[in-house]
This record gives sequence, C-alpha cells and structure tokens, in this order.
Amino acid sequence: ETGVTQTPRHLVMGMTNKKSLKCEQHLGHNAMYWYKQSAKKPLELMFVYNFKEQTENNSVPSRFSPECPNSSHLFLHLHTLQPEDSALYLCASSQDWVGYTFGSGTRLTVV
Amino acid sequence: GIQVEQSPPDLILQEGANSTLRCNFSDSVNNLQWFHQNPWGQLINLFYIPSGTKQNGRLSATTVATERYSLLYISSSQTTDSGVYFCAVVGANNLFFGTGTRLTVIP
Repeated sequence: ETGVTQTPRHLVMGMTNKKSLKCEQHLGHNAMYWYKQSAKKPLELMFVYNFKEQTENNSVPSRFSPECPNSSHLFLHLHTLQPEDSALYLCASSQDWVGYTFGSGTRLTVV
Repeated sequence: GIQVEQSPPDLILQEGANSTLRCNFSDSVNNLQWFHQNPWGQLINLFYIPSGTKQNGRLSATTVATERYSLLYISSSQTTDSGVYFCAVVGANNLFFGTGTRLTVIP
C-alpha cells in the first residue's frame, strides 16, 4: 500500500458506456495527477491538479473529464471511449514534484 | 519537452549479478527520480536524486547534473528486482518519463 488508492483495478467498458475512475491519497500531498500508460510508449501525463486547481491538460480528448473535489480525491470520468483508449491509467500524488507516489492503476479495456 | 533516454531497453541477468542502468536527459534539471514498475503495474519511487549519490540497500543511484545523466546500480540482483525501471525529470510543470529498462532476473 503506497498511500495512493485507485479503484477499480480492472474495468471493461463498451464504447457507449460512462464510467469513472477514482483515486484517493492519504499522504497530505498538494498535487495529484492522471497518467496514461500504453504498451511500448512512455507514461503520458494527462492532467495535473495543484491545490484542487487544474494546471495542466495535455491535449487530452474531451471524452476524458477530470474532477478534483478536494486535495485528497481525484476522479477521471470516461464516456464514449475508443478501443485505442485501452491502457493502464495511473494516479499519482506529490508534494511540489517531490515524493512522487503512484497508485496501483486501473487497467481499462474498451470493447 | 525534455527528452529522456534510457539504456539498455532490455536486460536479462542471472540472479546474483550486478547491473548498471543509464538515463540521459536533454536539458538541465533540478529534479530526477527513479521508479520501479513491478510486473503487476505498481510504480514505486526508488530515489529522488537531482545530484550526487544515494544508496538504499542493494540499490544506489548517481546523478551528474552537469553532464545530464544518471545511473542506477543494482547489486546482487534478485528475481524480485524484475520489472521496468524508469527515470523521470521535472520540467515545464510535467514529470517527463523515459521509455524504461525492462529487467528480467532469472534464477
């Protein structure tokens, strides 16, 4: 247990479904992140939240919608995804880019 | 963004052997971290090492910031060391990851 908890661990969804990924951190960190990890590619930063404010959105399609209700919780809402969106989605938290801690990830399959 | 290159891409070791993994980066940084991703996908932060040398058990890391590289040393490797090792550097409000070194330690 790293102090960053992600649910669910696995998710299979159809292209017309709506689902949400959840991340919770118990480390008192001030920043939270969503990363996408696809086979044979470097980890891609999707979204950054500092003190609940979104500070980065790296050209992520609008079918991915983040939500950060407080500094301990982060959601990624998914709708009308494509098969190429199948990947491991990782949540992380840090204190000013130090002590970077990842959750176990959600392995998403879009069918 | 900052380019991060890691070598070798793949490494197979006999249990008990030592190894050195390298990370080169394209710009000056003040934040470099090494991670290990186990076969189940969990990423663990090994070192925060913007410069100098740190040791943690059988692992140690050295960063020479002026020459833009970092090395991760694994001594007396064990099968539990298998997985992918990533280095990552901070720049432009992003943590840039390399493509990793996949290590397989065979008994």
